[in-house]
Amino acid sequence: KAGVTQTPRYLIKTRGQQVTLSCSPISGHRSVSWYQQTPGQGLQFLFEYFSETQRNKGNFPGRFSGRQFSNSRSEMNVSTLELGDSALYLCASSLAREINTGELFFGEGSRLTVL
Amino acid sequence: EDQVTQSPEALRLQEGESSSLNCSYTVSGLRGLFWYRQDPGKGPEFLFTLYSAGEEKEKERLKATLTKKESFLHITAPKPEDSATYLCAGGGGSYIPTFGRGTSLIVHP
Repeated sequence: KAGVTQTPRYLIKTRGQQVTLSCSPISGHRSVSWYQQTPGQGLQFLFEYFSETQRNKGNFPGRFSGRQFSNSRSEMNVSTLELGDSALYLCASSLAREINTGELFFGEGSRLTVL
Repeated sequence: EDQVTQSPEALRLQEGESSSLNCSYTVSGLRGLFWYRQDPGKGPEFLFTLYSAGEEKEKERLKATLTKKESFLHITAPKPEDSATYLCAGGGGSYIPTFGRGTSLIVHP
């Protein structure tokens, strides 16, 4: 059974640019959530999608956005990149009805460096 | 606001030296306490879910326990391959899972 796939794995951008990251969940998982991981802040929740609807959003500025397609694949976008956006962006899929009650299956992440 | 605090931040053990990792939580309406293992350059990998105080779960050399305020991850006779960062997360009534910053474990042969 294929796991969660994230692309690209590594990318380098400059300040002011925008970036789009992609996530393909495990087959049959309808929930996809996104997280930012940095050494200083740890793993922080960005947002979660279930059946193409954003169900909840973390405390991040509007420059961070996402969407989910009918096949459950998800993308997140960060516009007007800042140096502080450099991080590992993780996607997780879940079979649970709510992501705070069940196991999350994480991808290997997209490492974003902003210069 | 939900909070999860893990200690210690880093732990070095000799192979075979048992120890425990701590996860203190303040999560309103706790619905699940989760432990994950994260290897360098990888995403977290699920280990355990604990749902109520007094619950215990085991997997090989790992045993997770839960009280009303804390969870412990006990590592018995660790091996070098147990070296990783261990993350604790609480899922509560706020719906958003709250993660601790993790404990980085290094087991020396």
